[in-house]
Order: sequence, then C-alpha cells, then structure tokens
Amino acid sequence: AQKVTQAQTEISVVEKEDVTLDCVYETRDTTYYLFWYKQPPSGELVFLIRRNSFDEQNEISGRYSWNFQKSTSSFNFTITASQVVDSAVYFCALSEVNSGGGADGLTFGKGTHLIIQP
Amino acid sequence: DAGVIQSPRHEVTEMGQEVTLRCKPISGHNSLFWYRQTMMRGLELLIYFNNNVPIDDSGMPEDRFSAKMPNASFSTLKIQPSEPRDSAVYFCASSRGATNEKLFFGSGTQLSVL
Repeated sequence: AQKVTQAQTEISVVEKEDVTLDCVYETRDTTYYLFWYKQPPSGELVFLIRRNSFDEQNEISGRYSWNFQKSTSSFNFTITASQVVDSAVYFCALSEVNSGGGADGLTFGKGTHLIIQP
Repeated sequence: DAGVIQSPRHEVTEMGQEVTLRCKPISGHNSLFWYRQTMMRGLELLIYFNNNVPIDDSGMPEDRFSAKMPNASFSTLKIQPSEPRDSAVYFCASSRGATNEKLFFGSGTQLSVL
C-alpha cells in the first residue's frame, strides 16, 4: 500500500530564511508519480510540481526547488528566501499507475503548515 | 478555462437530511476525483471516475455516501442521511487522465452537519 509521511506538522520561520519541507513515501511500484500542492489560507489546492519515478533530476523554479532521492524515498521541497505569501499548508502526494495504465488517485501526506513571519 | 466548479461553496444542514454536492470538471478532462478533507484524517480520496465510469470507490466511508457521473461534465456526491461526523471540506478534482496527470481542484464545499 502506498503511504506518504510529512513528519513536520508545522514550521515557523522568519521572512527571508530558507526552509525545507520533508516528504517520505512508501510504494511497492517501480513506476509512480510524486506531487507537491500548496493550500493557502483561502483553501484551494494549487499544483506545484509533478515528478515521475524515473526522473531523479532536481528541479528549480524560482525560489522553489525539489530534491528527489529514490535511495531514501524522499521528495523534499525547499523555499529559498521565504516570503510571507509563502505561508500555507503544503502537501506531498503519491500516485501509482493502476492496472489499466490510467490515472489513479493521489495519496496525500497530512501536510506541513508553513508560517512565514515578517 | 473556468476550472473545476463546485457547488455549493458552503452547506449547513441538520443531521438526517440529504446533502448533494455538485461538480463540473474541466472540459476535456477524462478523470474526476472526490476528496474529503478533515483536520483528523487530512485529504482522503473517496472515489474516482475514468470516462464517467467509477473505478475505485473503496474510499467511500459507508453506504450513506454515493457518487454519480451521468456525463462527462457533471458529477454529484450524495450523503443520505447526513451525520455530524460528515462535516468536512469536500473537494472535486479533474485531470486529463492519461497517466497520473496533475489534478486540478475545485474550491471545495464546506459541509457542516448540525
């Protein structure tokens, strides 16, 4: 069974600090997908990144970067020079490929509540 | 594109009443998902459809919950009878459904059962 663990329930940092959100996953499949979503105080879920299990290259998008390491089953998310607008709950999620090869639901971690203080 | 549209945004009802949540996925998306979010359990997948066909409803908590997708542009999640423990935010999401594409979420329905 698939499982996603976000051990950090809440993180609070001062603006401009770097912060890393941890994500550890479990799956028996060799083909799977990892995601990060952001849920700001307004409540909607905003897609940030999707990564397949065969692509271990780290990715950078502006102040955001992701470190995928299959050896430790981790897909960590770093925000550089954090800003108050980054305050939100961040979810890591895992999706396996179903037997029909079609889309499968995401299994989400419990989320990390990130608070950026001015 | 209008995105995934859910209605109502808020629903307050009394225990025992029937509740119907509605969702219009993004046009052209083949997969539709219903999630429930609570503080205790986080985001849970209730059911998902591929090409209007229910694929996995193992997340539906009990027989009081049912979901339908009569066509590619509309889905409903019904709770009958509702109970206070059903209070949660219910999200609908859609995707192109090819191979684990990213999900686009609606704004959610905040359900309160008194």
